[in-house]
Amino acid sequence: NAGVTQTPKFRILKIGQSMTLQCAQDMNHNYMYWYRQDPGMGLKLIYYSVGAGITDKGEVPNGYNVSRSTTEDFPLRLELAAPSQTSVYFCASGAGSAYNEQFFGPGTRLTVL
Amino acid sequence: RKEVEQDPGPFNVPEGATVAFNCTYSNSASQSFFWYRQDCRKEPKLLMSVYSSGNEDGRFTAQLNRASQYISLLIRDSKLSDSATYLCVVTIYNQGGKLIFGQGTELSVKP
Repeated sequence: NAGVTQTPKFRILKIGQSMTLQCAQDMNHNYMYWYRQDPGMGLKLIYYSVGAGITDKGEVPNGYNVSRSTTEDFPLRLELAAPSQTSVYFCASGAGSAYNEQFFGPGTRLTVL
Repeated sequence: RKEVEQDPGPFNVPEGATVAFNCTYSNSASQSFFWYRQDCRKEPKLLMSVYSSGNEDGRFTAQLNRASQYISLLIRDSKLSDSATYLCVVTIYNQGGKLIFGQGTELSVKP
């Protein structure tokens, strides 16, 4: 099993550009999450999904959009990139119970200049 | 007030030392508790869950005090390989398993 995979690993964007961060998992987890981590800080939840076709906002959703058309994939879309979106983005998946472990992808390091 | 607050760190300790990390949470509806470990520029990975009765995994001991809303992690006989950032994490009842992270405490174990 590959676990949770993310692409790309690194990306530099210019202000106003758009991009999609890809995330896929092969553990058949219903729940998937997108977090961002700024330097020296903990992770903050952007969006999450409890199953295909269902998404909901987290703590910091502004400037982002998500979709969940399959159980495996949960892409994160940035429209009109801003310097404040410079961060490391982690995708995670889990069984959904509050007691279950979440498994994280390796992250995408995004810089907006 | 942050939902999850940790010792600011960094902690610099010699090999073999015992080190303790503290964490407090503000939401009394917090349901489950974890310590995750994050190596430099890598993804977080689960170190251990924290149970009300306290639990131990080798050199690591985690404690939970629900009345004081306090969680701790004790590492005995520190190894160089323990150098990492330790993240205190909670979930809130009925919120889809969303993790709420503290800012992390960095540990550096020196020879």
